[in-house]
Amino acid sequence: DQQVKQNSPSLSVQEGRISILNCDYTNSMFDYFLWYKKYPAEGPTFLISISSIKDKNEDGRFTVFLNKSAKHLSLHIVPSQPGDSAVYFCAASGTSGTYKYIFGTGTRLKVLA
Amino acid sequence: DAGVTQSPTHLIKTRGQHVTLRCSPISGHKSVSWYQQVLGQGPQFIFQYYEKEERGRGNFPDRFSARQFPNYSSELNVNALLLGDSALYLCASSLNPTGSYEQYFGPGTRLTVT
Repeated sequence: DQQVKQNSPSLSVQEGRISILNCDYTNSMFDYFLWYKKYPAEGPTFLISISSIKDKNEDGRFTVFLNKSAKHLSLHIVPSQPGDSAVYFCAASGTSGTYKYIFGTGTRLKVLA
Repeated sequence: DAGVTQSPTHLIKTRGQHVTLRCSPISGHKSVSWYQQVLGQGPQFIFQYYEKEERGRGNFPDRFSARQFPNYSSELNVNALLLGDSALYLCASSLNPTGSYEQYFGPGTRLTVT
């Protein structure tokens, strides 16, 4: 049972445009969400997180939006740069109980110059 | 500051053998988690340790075990290796084990079982 889903395995965007990566979750006990970026042969790099008490969090070019009623979050990258090309994973956790992260299957973003 | 370090980088083992993977967390981080990532999938949680105690275990067989040392470094052990254990093994550290703290990942150990 995939509790965190990234339904788009890949996404191509022109440099300078907005990249929107989506993630859906099924477990209503999740209350903390994160996005990681992964380059080949490296471990995932933390990008941005959001608590369920918020619906938006910004950090520079990266903004995460959370829609709790829809159990949906998205990562916006504006403007997209070629260096953003990587695999992006969303992850979710509950802040009580076992504090493991549940990851989605990833979306490969390609930013075209 | 040094990030999370893992050793070895790559490892090739034969079915039935055992393997030990090592992880050193970021200085000051007391919680270490282990994940397995197979090709095309996201990382899957194996264990979390905090203050040398197991705080969480994922859906992995008893062939997988881990421990955390007083300096907060950690080892992941896998016995009786199967071909399906071939994967990237990731270690992540965080300040404490609660779910509202970011985990920072090491570069991983690529295990190949032949």
